[in-house]
Amino acid sequence: AQSVTQLDSQVPVFEEAPVELRCNYSSSVSVYLFWYVQYPNQGLQLLLKYLSGSTLVKGINGFEAEFNKSQTSFHLRKPSVHISDTAEYFCAVSDGGRRALTFGSGTRLQVQP
Amino acid sequence: KAGVTQTPRYLIKTRGQQVTLSCSPISGHRSVSWYQQTPGQGLQFLFEYFSETQRNKGNFPGRFSGRQFSNSRSEMNVSTLELGDSALYLCASSLVAGGGNEQFFGPGTRLTVL
Repeated sequence: AQSVTQLDSQVPVFEEAPVELRCNYSSSVSVYLFWYVQYPNQGLQLLLKYLSGSTLVKGINGFEAEFNKSQTSFHLRKPSVHISDTAEYFCAVSDGGRRALTFGSGTRLQVQP
Repeated sequence: KAGVTQTPRYLIKTRGQQVTLSCSPISGHRSVSWYQQTPGQGLQFLFEYFSETQRNKGNFPGRFSGRQFSNSRSEMNVSTLELGDSALYLCASSLVAGGGNEQFFGPGTRLTVL
C-alpha cells in the first residue's frame, strides 16, 4: 500500500524567507510524486511532478522539489516566498498503473509580512 | 481551453436526502476521478471513471456512487445523506486513467448536510 506523510501541518514564514515543506512516502514499487497547491475556496493546482529522470524537479511559481529515493522523500522548496504563496500544499504519490493518487494530510503555509 | 467545471458550487441538504453532483472534464479528457475533502480525513479518493467504466474505487460505503457518460461528463450520487458527508467534493480529469497521469481539478462542490 502507498502512503504519504507530510510532517508539518503548519509552516509560518516571513515574506522573502526560504521555505521547505516536507513529504515522505511509502510505496513498494516505483512511484510518481506530485505537489499540489490549494488556495482558499478553490480546487487543487499542480505545482510540479516527478515521473522519472532528474531528481530535481522545477515547477511553477518558483517552487522546486527533490526526489530522494533512499530517504523516500520529496520535499518542496522555494528560496524566497511571497504573501501570495499562502495556501495549503499537498504531496501525493501514485505507483502508476491502476492505482489512484494518495494524498498527504496537507501543510498550511502562512507567509507573514 | 476551459478547465474542469463542477455544479453546483454549493449545496445544502438535510439528513436522509440524496444529492447528485456534476463534473464536466477538460475537453478531450476521458478520465474523471472524485475526491472527498474534509478537515478531519483530508483528501480521500472516491472513484475513477474512464470511458464510462469505473476503474477504481476507494473505501466508501455503497451510498456513494457515480457514473460517466459518453461525453466523459460524470456525476456522483450520495444517497441517505449523513451529517458526516458534509465536505468539499472535488472532481479531477486527466487524459487517460491511472494516478500517474496529471490530474486537473475543478473548484469543488461544497456540500453541507444539516
